[in-house]
Amino acid sequence: TQLLEQSPQFLSIQEGENLTVYCNSSSVFSSLQWYRQEPGEGPVLLVTVVTGGEVKKLKRLTFQFGDARKDSSLHITAAQPGDTGLYLCAGARDNFNKFYFGSGTKLNVKP
Amino acid sequence: DTAVSQTPKYLVTQMGNDKSIKCEQNLGHDTMYWYKQDSKKFLKIMFSYNNKELIINETVPNRFSPKSPDKAHLNLHINSLELGDSAVYFCASSPGLVQFFGPGTRLTVL
Repeated sequence: TQLLEQSPQFLSIQEGENLTVYCNSSSVFSSLQWYRQEPGEGPVLLVTVVTGGEVKKLKRLTFQFGDARKDSSLHITAAQPGDTGLYLCAGARDNFNKFYFGSGTKLNVKP
Repeated sequence: DTAVSQTPKYLVTQMGNDKSIKCEQNLGHDTMYWYKQDSKKFLKIMFSYNNKELIINETVPNRFSPKSPDKAHLNLHINSLELGDSAVYFCASSPGLVQFFGPGTRLTVL
């Protein structure tokens, strides 16, 4: 069983639409990261959230860490084809050296 | 300059062979990792080293042996390769809160 479950697994939308990706767990995390991975490349860090209830914005991307630090969401406004990729959440628990990855959400934004 | 580099990018080999993947980071981080990404894109941690010392060793067959000659390098040697070892292997380094990944090595075992 995975510690972090992401939903949806796949998302195919038209350019300009909004979307939300969820990352849920029954465990508490000290911090949570979101990464984007493009085909043939390694994951690239988008953001880190560390405080329960924290909201961070990165241009059209909004990240939220749940109050209880068990879940997170990524909201994209007015999606563009350049947003296409695999989105991964990853959580660190007490030991910051070990990261647990979510199952991933594959996003396709059609022009 | 590439922050985390891996060689080779692609590796195609026969079952039963032994192969190695190399990783180098120039970020000055103390901690390095090996992950395996399967066909469903799930990233699973295999090993972690902190300043050349093994700190995480997940349930990985002992055919897999990591080696860290110094804190900038973490290599992965795999003995007696099996079909199920086919995957993309990622190296990563970390200053403590986040990770920086290499470009991956796609291993195909025939």
